[in-house]
Amino acid sequence: GEDVEQSLFLSVREGDSSVINCTYTDSSSTYLYWYKQEPGAGLQLLTYIFSNMDMKQDQRLTVLLNKKDKHLSLRIADTQTGDSAIYFCAESVNNNDMRFGAGTRLTVKP
Amino acid sequence: NAGVTQTPKFRILKIGQSMTLQCTQDMNHNYMYWYRQDPGMGLKLIYYSVGAGITDKGEVPNGYNVSRSTTEDFPLRLELAAPSQTSVYFCASINTGRAAFFGQGTRLTVV
Repeated sequence: GEDVEQSLFLSVREGDSSVINCTYTDSSSTYLYWYKQEPGAGLQLLTYIFSNMDMKQDQRLTVLLNKKDKHLSLRIADTQTGDSAIYFCAESVNNNDMRFGAGTRLTVKP
Repeated sequence: NAGVTQTPKFRILKIGQSMTLQCTQDMNHNYMYWYRQDPGMGLKLIYYSVGAGITDKGEVPNGYNVSRSTTEDFPLRLELAAPSQTSVYFCASINTGRAAFFGQGTRLTVV
C-alpha cells in the first residue's frame, strides 16, 4: 500500500520496555526516522537509521530495521512517564520528502 | 538559536477568508516544507522548497500557495478558506544530514 502504517495506541507501565512498530512502503528509502510529538508541540526528531543498517542504539532507544519486510521498530527501555507522547515513523521519499505514519500514542502508567 | 518559528499559533477563519501562515528558520537550511496534520492521520505534504526561488507541490496542494523569496522565509497562503482546511499546520526545514526541524504548529479552524 501507499501508507506508512503504525498501530495507533500503546500503553505500558513505568519501567517496562515499549516497542513501537512501523511498516513502511518504499524499499528504496534511504533514511527511516522516529519523531516524538508532545502535546501542543511540533515533531521532534528522536533518532534515524540509514537503510544499510540493521540496528541503531542510542541510550534507551533501540531502532531495528528489517529491510526485507519493510519493518521498523523503536524500543524504549525503562519507559518513563515523560516518554508519554505520540511517536511518528517516517521514511525518506525521493530525497525531497518524508512520508509519515499516523503516529502511535504511547501512554505510560505509573 | 530559534530554529523554526511559525506564526500564528492559533487562528479562526470564516469560510472564504484568506490568510498567510508565516514560517522562518535561522539555520540556513535549503529545504523547507509545509505539512498539515489531521486527527488520527500522519502528516501530509502541502508544498516544499529546495531553495530560494524554487517551490513545488506536495501531496495535497489544492487551496494553498507558497513563495520562497529568501532562504529564511517560507510563507503558506490560503486564498479562500474552506472547512476542509481546518487542521494543524507544521512548517519544517531539513539540514544536510536529513534531520527535520519542525515549528510548533499553527492550529487553524475554518468556520
